[in-house]
Amino acid sequence: NAGVTQTPKFQVLKTGQSMTLQCAQDMNHNSMYWYRQDPGMGLRLIYYSASEGTTDKGEVPNGYNVSRLNKREFSLRLESAAPSQTSVYFCASSWAGDGYTFGSGTRLTVV
Amino acid sequence: RKEVEQDPGPFNVPEGATVAFNCTYSNSASQSFFWYRQDCRKEPKLLMSVYSSGNEDGRFTAQLNRASQYISLLIRDSKLSDSATYLCVVTSGGYNKLIFGAGTRLAVHP
Repeated sequence: NAGVTQTPKFQVLKTGQSMTLQCAQDMNHNSMYWYRQDPGMGLRLIYYSASEGTTDKGEVPNGYNVSRLNKREFSLRLESAAPSQTSVYFCASSWAGDGYTFGSGTRLTVV
Repeated sequence: RKEVEQDPGPFNVPEGATVAFNCTYSNSASQSFFWYRQDCRKEPKLLMSVYSSGNEDGRFTAQLNRASQYISLLIRDSKLSDSATYLCVVTSGGYNKLIFGAGTRLAVHP
């Protein structure tokens, strides 16, 4: 099915470990985004990529890095995980100005 | 102050009821407005865009008041399947960035 695919769906990390969340879209969208969602706070933008080859910080970028590998793929890396990064992470993509299509999310727990 | 504010609810309503959600946003430069629906432990999905002239999609009606920076969503004849969290979303600042409200939870009971 066309859409946004995120992997993994679940992950438990120990404090200080690193990991990369993968995201791929097959809708030929230019823009891709990473959000985190915490209870009572809604979705907050971590990083976004307006087009292939560009990335920019969002509202909460500290502790994360991203790579726009090609038009389809946008990965999010946690270099040294902290308990404060326990959250649900959503990747999304969009055509210019339209609503987003989201992946199904990654539930990350850092212990 | 949050950029997009919503009443968190929950709104508990019986089937068939009419329910209205409100949202305010702080950035007067916002250009696009949406309502998203999020089911428990699922990803948000676009419910409808919101236009200044108001727009309707079946039982759902969305309104935008740019002067007051206020957005609303009206659901008529509520169904059990409408139970979800409704997210108010606006564009802000840079390229295609969406800013989400924390959501309003709706529970429709028999």
